Amino acid sequence: QITLKESGPTLVKPTQTLTLTCTFSGFSLSTSAVGVGWIRQPPEKALEWLALIYWDDDKRYSPSLKSRLTITKDTSKNQVVLTMTNMDPVDTATYYCARFRHISSSVYFDCWGQGTQVTVSS
Amino acid sequence: QSVLTQPPSVSGAPGQRVTISCTGSSSNIGAGFGVHWYQKLPGTAPKLLIYDNSNRPSGVPDRFSGSKSGTSASLAITGLQAEDEADYYCQSYDSSLSGWVFGGGTKLTVL
Repeated sequence: QITLKESGPTLVKPTQTLTLTCTFSGFSLSTSAVGVGWIRQPPEKALEWLALIYWDDDKRYSPSLKSRLTITKDTSKNQVVLTMTNMDPVDTATYYCARFRHISSSVYFDCWGQGTQVTVSS
Repeated sequence: QSVLTQPPSVSGAPGQRVTISCTGSSSNIGAGFGVHWYQKLPGTAPKLLIYDNSNRPSGVPDRFSGSKSGTSASLAITGLQAEDEADYYCQSYDSSLSGWVFGGGTKLTVL
């Protein structure tokens, strides 16, 4: 059984850095064609892809947020960490981590965490 | 404003068939990148419904089906049930943006 769980602060102040941890089980990040991504959903808005990291440590970021994001993995701990700098109230959202599979020209998210709510407010 | 356009809402009566469209362009769906569909119930995490245009993960009822043609894709739900009331999102890759994109989402109401 595959599970993922996000953890981190529920409230951050503007300009602060957000650090979220995704702890997973049931799969290994050393398995080919597998990785973990981060997706967020602001209130009443659509899903937005943020970043993902492949089994081979290749990293990809949303172009609009690239300067603010860093994604890393600790394969031995089954964890992926996302940091987002210079937080703003518009970053208030539910943040999800999800396992993805890369097959041919497709990347899709097949298992998701429950999500963690992050509010940015002073 | 997503590069993948979905209707904001669709509705249907129990037992009916509904379709949700996802319209893209030559830099995403039309470029051959796979289209994937997710169901999101309120307060829950998204669930993968369809991957690679038309494939169902194990456990997803065959009432759900996907198709793709040109620069668009569609999700069809037959035998509509009350439990299908949710938000549905398409997802693909966009080569112009160099990233993965979601549609704006479609709210399905079961009348």
